[in-house]
Amino acid sequence: QVQLQESGPGLVKPSQTLSLNCSVSGGSISSDTYYWSWIRQPAGKGLEWVGRIYTSGSTNYNPSLKSRVTISVDTSNNRFSLTLSSVTAADTAVYYCATISPRGDGYNNWGQGTLVTVSS
Amino acid sequence: QSALTQPASVSGSLGQSITISCTGTSSDVGTYNLVSWYQQHPGKAPKLIIFEGTKRPSGVPNRFSGSKSGNTASLTISGLQAEDEASYHCCSYVGGSTFWVFGGGTTLSVL
Repeated sequence: QVQLQESGPGLVKPSQTLSLNCSVSGGSISSDTYYWSWIRQPAGKGLEWVGRIYTSGSTNYNPSLKSRVTISVDTSNNRFSLTLSSVTAADTAVYYCATISPRGDGYNNWGQGTLVTVSS
Repeated sequence: QSALTQPASVSGSLGQSITISCTGTSSDVGTYNLVSWYQQHPGKAPKLIIFEGTKRPSGVPNRFSGSKSGNTASLTISGLQAEDEASYHCCSYVGGSTFWVFGGGTTLSVL
């Protein structure tokens, strides 16, 4: 099982860009074992799938966020990243990185989550 | 794509059984056997407890079971224990351009 650790600013101003990293240990980001994914959770609410990237570089995004989100892989640092542009207060949430196999058998590895607040 | 529908809260007494429903559509829960369930304690990351609708990962007690009927998936917890008090989230593959959708989460209180 891989271990995941999110990092990034906890406070972002409205209209700016949110950027988070997810460091991977116990496995290679180049492995075809997983889709590397981002999921977020506003306070007191349910989970929302943000998007995913595969080792091939192929990405898929939640249609509601697609115009603002980019997920990329940094193989030299064994991590993957999330950027979300033009943020508003509605983007305030705990952001989790997680993994799921290509079979789709559940998100079995999660980071501890990082709270990002959008506020001026 | 709308979120899957879960009850906001359920409760049960120690030792009893409870069931949490997760209602989707024929485009997600009703079509794919890729429903998963997650347990989340306050301030913690979700933990996978059921995948592919009915399967348990290694280490998850057999008190937790999953099922599906039509467009509704269900999570049953039998022999409730105090540590089961948590939030539970369902998730289903959707396909198309949406891929994955979650429910709104259900808070379980153990009395």
